[in-house]
Amino acid sequence: EPEVTQTPSHQVTQMGQEVILRCVPISNHLYFYWYRQILGQKVEFLVSFYNNEISEKSEIFDDQFSVERPDGSNFTLKIRSTKLEDSAMYFCASMDMTSGSTQYFGPGTRLTVL
Amino acid sequence: AQSVTQLDSHVSVSEGTPVLLRCNYSSSYSPSLFWYVQHPNKGLQLLLKYTSAATLVKGINGFEAEFKKSETSFHLTKPSAHMSDAAEYFCVVIASGGYNKLIFGAGTRLAVHP
Repeated sequence: EPEVTQTPSHQVTQMGQEVILRCVPISNHLYFYWYRQILGQKVEFLVSFYNNEISEKSEIFDDQFSVERPDGSNFTLKIRSTKLEDSAMYFCASMDMTSGSTQYFGPGTRLTVL
Repeated sequence: AQSVTQLDSHVSVSEGTPVLLRCNYSSSYSPSLFWYVQHPNKGLQLLLKYTSAATLVKGINGFEAEFKKSETSFHLTKPSAHMSDAAEYFCVVIASGGYNKLIFGAGTRLAVHP
C-alpha cells in the first residue's frame, strides 16, 4: 500500500542553523501539507501546497519557513535559521481529492534544536 | 470557525471492556470529521472519517464513531479493548476555506490494562 515517507526520522541541529525536512508524498497525490506537534501540544497546521504554490499558511509559517517541490516526488520544508521553539515533530501529509479529503500522514521527523 | 474539543485527556480501560473517547465539534456547516490514531513513535493513521453520508461510521480495528448533529458530537467507540489499542487518539475537523486544512483536538491518550 502506498505511503508517505519522511527523512530523516530524527534531526538535531544548533540554533541558527538551516534544516531541510524531506517528504515523499503518495505518487498520484496533488495536495501537500506540513503540520507540527510541539511536545505536549496539539498537532497544528503549518502550510498547504498545490499546483506548485502555497495555497494556505498559518501564522507560524513566517519568513523563516519555506516549502518546495523540487522534483516530481519530493516535498521539502526548510527552516532558515532554527530557534529553540522550532523543536517539534514535523508531519508531512498528502491528499488526492478523489479519496474524499483524506490526508495521509508520514511517520514524522523529530527536530531538536539545541 | 471550526474546532474540536476532546473531553478527556486520558482514558484508562481494562482489556476486553468497551472504549469511549469523546469529541465535540463546532462548525458553521456540516463538517467533515476524522479520527486519527498515533501509536508511540509512529505517524498518524486514519481510523475513520465522516463526510455527511451514514451517521454511523465504521473504521479499522473494530472502531466506530457516530455523528450526532443534535449533540455536536463524534464520539469514538470500540466494544472490546485490546492491548494494542493503547495509543493517542485525535479527533479532527476540516477547516473551511477550500484547502482542507485539518484542525486537531488536543488528543486522548488511551491506556489499556490487562
